[in-house]
Parts: sequence; structure tokens; C-alpha cells
Amino acid sequence: KAGVTQTPRYLIKTRGQQVTLSCSPISGHRSVSWYQQTPGQGLQFLFEYFSETQRNKGNFPGRFSGRQFSNSRSEMNVSTLELGDSALYLCASSLGGAQPQHFGDGTRLSIL
Amino acid sequence: GESVGLHLPTLSVQEGDNSIINCAYSNSASDYFIWYKQESGKGPQFIIDIRSNMDKRQGQRVTVLLNKTVKHLSLQIAATQPGDSAVYFCAENTSGTYKYIFGTGTRLKVLA
Repeated sequence: KAGVTQTPRYLIKTRGQQVTLSCSPISGHRSVSWYQQTPGQGLQFLFEYFSETQRNKGNFPGRFSGRQFSNSRSEMNVSTLELGDSALYLCASSLGGAQPQHFGDGTRLSIL
Repeated sequence: GESVGLHLPTLSVQEGDNSIINCAYSNSASDYFIWYKQESGKGPQFIIDIRSNMDKRQGQRVTVLLNKTVKHLSLQIAATQPGDSAVYFCAENTSGTYKYIFGTGTRLKVLA
């Protein structure tokens, strides 16, 4: 069974630009969560989607948004990029509820 | 964000010894816990999970112990191998919140 796939793996942007990251969950998984990982703050929850509905959102500014499609694939968007947005963005999928989340290898976003 | 800690503690163990990695979780209402292993350049990999109605669960070479009284979780790795070198995270989930809160992480170094 294929794992969680995130694209692209690496991305370089400049301040003020926007970016869209993509996540394809494990087949059959309807829950997709996004996390930001930085050396200073660790793994921080961004948002969770289930059947195209956002069920929870972390403490991030409105520049961070996401969506989920009917096939459970998900995208997250960051607008007006700032230097502090440089991070590894991780996507995880699960069946939903208290079930194991499985992660992709992330998108490394660097802001110049 | 909600992740805790800025410093990554390190545990160094001799190959073949047992390792114990500890985690203090934050929410007494949390009822589902996962341990993850993250190797450099990869996303977190699911190791083992435990629900709050249990205090111990065993997998292959790994055991998770849960002490709800003091909000403490531990991961025991038997006969530690060089391939176990990685950063280990605990994650907690509370039913109905649809999000996981991750611990700071512990770097495990296996000495040959």
C-alpha cells in the first residue's frame, strides 16, 4: 500500500510570494492533518480535514489555509510568505478518530 | 503554536542495551497516545500506540508504558541497534479534538 505522498519535496520562495503544497493520503484514509516542523518550535498542528471539512485549526495566522478534495487529497496554501515560514511542512493521514496517523516525508520550504 | 520545548534532549546508549525514552504529556483528558521515530530527512514513522484504558502495550522490541496519574509516557526499546538512532516523539490526542500535540522529542544515539 502506498504511503502518504507530499509534493514538492523542496521549495524555495521569496518573501511576499505564496505557495501551495500538496498531500495525497494513504488509500482509504479520509482524515488529513498538516503540521509545521521547525528546530525551535518542534511539530506544531496546523489543521485537520475529514471528508472535505476542516474540523480543527491550530494557532497560525490566516495566511495559512488548506482544503481537502472529494478524493481526500489535500492542499495547504501560505500567502504573503515571511522568513519565519521556513520550515518542514508535514502531512499525515489516518482513518479518522483515534487511529494512527501516518506521515509523509514533508515539503521543505525555504524563504529567501 | 502548541508544541512544547526548544531544546532536544539526547539519550546515548550502547548497542545491545535497552533504551527508555520518557515523555510528559500535557492534557489529563488525552486518551490516545502515539510514539513516532523520525530519521533525518524523513517524516515521523509510527512505532506504537496506546489508549488510556491500558497502561502497557508491547510491540516488536518496543514497549509503551502509560501512567495517567502523573501524565507520563515511556517508550522502551529492547536490545537497541544502530538503526534505532533517530529522534523520538510522543504525541497525545483527546477524543473530539481531531488534533495531536507533540512532545519536544528525544534524540537517541546508539554507540557501537
